[in-house]
Amino acid sequence: QSALTQPPSLSAAPGQRVAISCSGSRSNIGNNYVSWYQQLPGTAPKLVIFDNVQRPTVIPARFSGSKSGTSATLAITGLQTGDEADYYCAAWDNNLNAVIFGGGTKLTVL
Amino acid sequence: QVQLVESGGGVVQPGRYLRLSCATSGFSFSTYAMHWVRQAPGKGLEWVAVVWFDGSNAYYADSVKGRFTVSRDNSRNTLYLDIKRLRADDTAVYYCARPVIRGKFKDAVDVWGRGTMVTVSS
Repeated sequence: QSALTQPPSLSAAPGQRVAISCSGSRSNIGNNYVSWYQQLPGTAPKLVIFDNVQRPTVIPARFSGSKSGTSATLAITGLQTGDEADYYCAAWDNNLNAVIFGGGTKLTVL
Repeated sequence: QVQLVESGGGVVQPGRYLRLSCATSGFSFSTYAMHWVRQAPGKGLEWVAVVWFDGSNAYYADSVKGRFTVSRDNSRNTLYLDIKRLRADDTAVYYCARPVIRGKFKDAVDVWGRGTMVTVSS
């Protein structure tokens, strides 16, 4: 099953803004909600954005999501060293009848 | 407190069978679809399967169809994953996960277990 497309890695300095892209197709992102997960080393993934733009109550407002057509973006402002993690996008695919994940983006906060 | 606890992993020889379990507590298990997601060492997340809240239907990733079976026992608040004919590329941490919204199976999951490691090796 084809994964959603994410940049393998990104880096930015503390305090800056970073945007992680996620590209798909009409059968997945184009017609379903996108979610985003943060995974720190050695831990289970943690939901940071669901339904394209919604934040769980425990996630700070520095994290935001957006979607346009068949692409989605996770933006993180005011970067902190604790944001250094792997980030994954995900969406249901109507053709595959499956959840598909992006390949993951390793975010480094320099 | 909502909790998911996976068990059943270990080192298994290729071709053998394994049953993973996910014991749940703190929420109305019988009203939620449930997912399995795996992660091979050093690799990304891979969705495995989802089962309906009542166990009446399930969907699988192409990579596991025919060898994996997801089921549940709502009386025991427990989710299962049966794996037949284990292969080396099944080596991964297996997570169970609960959706944000009860009754929904397509959308995000917000509760994850810590995972159970399955190593397929002779």
